[in-house]
Amino acid sequence: EAGVAQSPRYKIIEKRQSVAFWCNPISGHATLYWYQQILGQGPKLLIQFQNNGVVDDSQLPKDRFSAERLKGVDSTLKIQPAKLEDSAVYLCASSRWGASTDTQYFGPGTRLTVL
Amino acid sequence: AQTVTQSQPEMSVQEAETVTLSCTYDTSENNYYLFWYKQPPSRQMILVIRQEAYKQQNATENRFSVNFQKAAKSFSLKISDSQLGDTAMYFCAFIRSGANSKLTFGKGITLSVRP
Repeated sequence: EAGVAQSPRYKIIEKRQSVAFWCNPISGHATLYWYQQILGQGPKLLIQFQNNGVVDDSQLPKDRFSAERLKGVDSTLKIQPAKLEDSAVYLCASSRWGASTDTQYFGPGTRLTVL
Repeated sequence: AQTVTQSQPEMSVQEAETVTLSCTYDTSENNYYLFWYKQPPSRQMILVIRQEAYKQQNATENRFSVNFQKAAKSFSLKISDSQLGDTAMYFCAFIRSGANSKLTFGKGITLSVRP
């Protein structure tokens, strides 16, 4: 089966600009996650979707970050306006049902550099 | 809140030898799952091995095995017969059992396998 797809793979922007990332999960997976991985740290969950509803967005900086999964399949994560500290790899992952026992499958990530 | 600590930032091992990566965690939960994820350079994160906290038997997957010490809250990964393809960052992760739980990662350890 095809894995989790993400695009773009790399993005360089100036601070205060906007950027959007796209993720297509594994077919049939109900749960989709966006993580932020700052250099030298482990991934941190930003938002979790169950189908097209938000389960957890407690660590999403809502003043500048937004995410949607309108049809319960692919998802976009947007940053507007970007700050220097947003430089990181943004990982998308999916799992079949979102249970704690489920394996999360990760995409290749989008490396964002904010100048 | 749960925390995961990986205190060794990097390790090196000779090809064909054995290496152990350390991880400790802190939680008040009794039911949870522990994972080791591998993130090769510029490639996506994949699950290496998982351990259910209620199981006393240590998990094993081919050359990978864990030493799970629940009372000590320790979860180390042993890689036997190290191969060049094992060069990667390794993340220890924790998730409590139950709905709406999120995966908490350690900072990771960089493992280099020398030829």
